Amino acid sequence: DQQVKQNSPSLSVQEGRISILNCDYTNSMFDYFLWYKKYPAEGPTFLISISSIKDKNEDGRFTVFLNKSAKHLSLHIVPSQPGDSAVYFCAASKAAGNKLTFGGGTRVLVKP
Amino acid sequence: NAGVTQTPKFQVLKTGQSMTLQCAQDMNHEYMSWYRQDPGMGLRLIHYSVGAGITDQGEVPNGYNVSRSTTEDFPLRLLSAAPSQTSVYFCASSLTGPSSYNEQFFGPGTRLTVL
Repeated sequence: DQQVKQNSPSLSVQEGRISILNCDYTNSMFDYFLWYKKYPAEGPTFLISISSIKDKNEDGRFTVFLNKSAKHLSLHIVPSQPGDSAVYFCAASKAAGNKLTFGGGTRVLVKP
Repeated sequence: NAGVTQTPKFQVLKTGQSMTLQCAQDMNHEYMSWYRQDPGMGLRLIHYSVGAGITDQGEVPNGYNVSRSTTEDFPLRLLSAAPSQTSVYFCASSLTGPSSYNEQFFGPGTRLTVL
């Protein structure tokens, strides 16, 4: 049973437009959420995170929103750039440690 | 700093063979972990270590062994490879363990095929 789900396996967006990636979780014990970005033949790299005490965190073009009551988070990329084309994973962690539970990933393609 | 390094990059094994995937980090990180990535499944935690001499199981530990004799190294052993272990394996490390949240740094991965 997947505790973290990314229901859209792929997303295509025009350069300059907004990319919105969604992630749902089922375990109410998760209290820290992260997004990782992965290019082919490379390991994932950390992008942005949010604690459950917040509902929004921004870092440049990237914003993560957390809706605890809906157990839902989203990543907004504005504006999208061709270099953003990658697979994005959301991940969640419980208070007890650094063990991360990952979603299945969303492949983003930004068209020039 | 080299960060997190993994060897080999690619490996093909026959069913029943054994091998060790190497992972090393030069950031003096206490926490290290192994994940496998399969299509549509994201990354799943195999084993992790909160420091030298301490290891524990993750979500999918069966068929894998680990040890942590030094802070720097965290090898993953497949004792008797099975086709179900065909996957991409990532090693990760982070600064501290249980009571804090830290960015995990990932290695470039090892692509393993078991025939």
